[in-house]
Amino acid sequence: AQKVTQAQTEISVVEKEDVTLDCVYETRDTTYYLFWYKQPPSGELVFLIRRNSFDEQNEISGRYSWNFQKSTSSFNFTITASQVVDSAVYFCALLMGGSEKLVFGKGTKLTVNP
Amino acid sequence: DTEVTQTPKHLVMGMTNKKSLKCEQHMGHRAMYWYKQKAKKPPELMFVYSYEKLSINESVPSRFSPECPNSSLLNLHLHALQPEDSALYLCASSQRGLAGGLPETQYFGPGTRLLVL
Repeated sequence: AQKVTQAQTEISVVEKEDVTLDCVYETRDTTYYLFWYKQPPSGELVFLIRRNSFDEQNEISGRYSWNFQKSTSSFNFTITASQVVDSAVYFCALLMGGSEKLVFGKGTKLTVNP
Repeated sequence: DTEVTQTPKHLVMGMTNKKSLKCEQHMGHRAMYWYKQKAKKPPELMFVYSYEKLSINESVPSRFSPECPNSSLLNLHLHALQPEDSALYLCASSQRGLAGGLPETQYFGPGTRLLVL
C-alpha cells in the first residue's frame, strides 16, 4: 500500500527562522514521483516541486530546498529565512508510475509570525 | 502558463437544487481531475478524465455527475446534494493521461467553495 506521513500537524515560527517540514513515504514500487504543494488560505494548491524516484539529487530554489533520501524514504522540505507569506498548509504527495491518483499526506500547517 | 480556472468561486445551494461547477485549462493538458477537500483534510480524488474519457471514478455518489465536453473543459454537475457535501472542490489538469505514458505533474485551480444548506 502507498502512504505518505507528515508527522508535524502544525508548526509555528518567527519570521527569519529556518523551518523543515518532514515527509515520509511508503511504497513497494520502484518507479514513483514525489511532490510538494502549498495551499495558502485562499485555497489553491500551488505546485512547488516534483522529484522522480530515480533522481535523488537535492534541489534548491531560492529560500526553498528539498532533501530526498530513498534510504529513509523521506522527502523533506526546508524554508530558509521564513517569511509571513510562507504561512500555508504544505502537502507532500506520492504518485506511482502508471497511476493518476495522488496520495497526499495530511498536511502541515505552517504559521510564520512577524 | 500553468493556469487552471474554476467558476464559481463560491456556491450556496439547497438540497433540491441543481448546479454545475466549471473548470477550464488552456495548457493543452489531456488529463483533468476533480478533487473534494474538507476542512483540515487533504484533497480526495473524485474523478479523472484522460483524453476526454472517464478513466477513474472513486466510487463517488451519483448525485455528482462529471462531464468533459472537450479537452479544455471539465464540468461537475450537482443534484440533490447533502449538507455533508459542503467542501472545497478542486479541479486539476496534467499534460498526459495514462494513455500518454508516465504520469505528469497535476496543476490545480483555485477551487469552488460549496455550501449545501
